[in-house]
Amino acid sequence: SQTIHQWPATLVQPVGSPLSLECTVEGTSNPNLYWYRQAAGRGLQLLFYSVGIGQISSEVPQNLSASRPQDRQFILSSKKLLLSDSGFYLCAWSVKGLTNEKLFFGSGTQLSVL
Amino acid sequence: AQSVSQHNHHVILSEAASLELGCNYSYGGTVNLFWYVQYPGQHLQLLLKYFSGDPLVKGIKGFEAEFIKSKFSFNLRKPSVQWSDTAEYFCAVSSFKTIFGAGTRLFVKA
Repeated sequence: SQTIHQWPATLVQPVGSPLSLECTVEGTSNPNLYWYRQAAGRGLQLLFYSVGIGQISSEVPQNLSASRPQDRQFILSSKKLLLSDSGFYLCAWSVKGLTNEKLFFGSGTQLSVL
Repeated sequence: AQSVSQHNHHVILSEAASLELGCNYSYGGTVNLFWYVQYPGQHLQLLLKYFSGDPLVKGIKGFEAEFIKSKFSFNLRKPSVQWSDTAEYFCAVSSFKTIFGAGTRLFVKA
């Protein structure tokens, strides 16, 4: 069966420090991968999605970047965190197709930038 | 570009009341439509989905949603809510990527 692992679960970082959140998927190959940020009152905001290794699409201009070094690995990064980067980050995957089927979500990372 | 609009950010109901959460989307092509739910302390999970066929779809826990193409709407309904339905509900639209609405927090009073 497929599983998605996301870590760490909680992270407190000072402003200006770097960030690396990792997400891996098991039990499937060539998935679509996503990073979302969930903020109160703003729902789930799509940050990045990837349809394959090295292929990253960015949805909103921001202080973050994403990389997909392996088929089932998706990394969210920042060189210098801002206070506004605080939030709950969710990784998700879906089966690749002409249109997406449902998303499977990781457990999320609560990031607090102080 | 795709967009999703949920009409209510917060809804408070008493048990046994009927529920309807509005969702409108903007996209010119073929889409798949979803409602996801996030119960307190739990992961987001799929409640129901529409791909094609009967525009009235039934999901888990007595929820249903109706796709009205002419109105670009996909409203979620439940005839009689329970305290355990307290959660945040997200409408989502998917073509090759999935876009979510801002969410509606439902609180059901026992």
